[in-house]
Amino acid sequence: SQKIEQNSEALNIQEGKTATLTCNYTNYSPAYLQWYRQDPGRGPVFLLLIRENEKEKRKERLKVTFDTTLKQSLFHITASQPADSATYLCAPRGGYNKLIFGAGTRLAVHP
Amino acid sequence: EAGVAQSPRYKIIEKRQSVAFWCNPISGHATLYWYQQILGQGPKLLIQFQNNGVVDDSQLPKDRFSAERLKGVDSTLKIQPAKLEDSAVYLCASSLDLEGREQYFGPGTRLTVT
Repeated sequence: SQKIEQNSEALNIQEGKTATLTCNYTNYSPAYLQWYRQDPGRGPVFLLLIRENEKEKRKERLKVTFDTTLKQSLFHITASQPADSATYLCAPRGGYNKLIFGAGTRLAVHP
Repeated sequence: EAGVAQSPRYKIIEKRQSVAFWCNPISGHATLYWYQQILGQGPKLLIQFQNNGVVDDSQLPKDRFSAERLKGVDSTLKIQPAKLEDSAVYLCASSLDLEGREQYFGPGTRLTVT
C-alpha cells in the first residue's frame, strides 16, 4: 500500500538557520506533491506544489525538491523565524487526484 | 475572499449517538473533501465530491458515515452511531477543481466521543 514517511520527531533549530524536512514515499509514483503548514487548532494551509518533472521550486524563503528516483521530497525554510514554528505536512498525489498526507513534522524555531 | 466555513467547532457526544457536521466551501470551488485527522496523524480522506457527485469514498466507513453535497455547494457529514474511535478533528476542504490544485481547509470540527 502507499506509504508516506516524515520525521516523527520534532525538529528544533535556532532562528536564522535553515530547516530541512524530509518526506519519503513508497509503493507509488505521484505526479505531484504538495506541502502544507498546520498550526495547532487550525486546518492545514497550502504552501507549495511541485510536479514530477520539476526538480526544485521556490517561494520566498521556502524551497522544495522532488527526487522521483529516491522517492523523496525535501522542504527547506531558509533564515528561519520563530513564526515558522508549526507542523509541516507532505502530501503526494494519489489516485483520483486525491492527496495522501504524511503525519507531519513539527518544527520549533528558537530565538 | 471568504474561506471554508465549518460548524460546529466542537462537539462532545456519547457513543452510539449521532452527529452531523456542516461545511460551506469557497464560492466557485467545484471539489469538496472531508478528512478525518486523528491526533498525531495526517488528515485522511473520507470522501471527495466533484460538484454534487462522489469521486472517491473508498475510505468512508459506510456502515456508519454518510455525506452529501446538495446542489453542489454545502455539504454535511454524518456519523450514526458514533464509536469511541471516531474521536478526531473533521476537516472540510475545497479546491477549484480536481486538477492538482491546492486545497483550502476549514478550521475543522473537533469531535469527542465518550
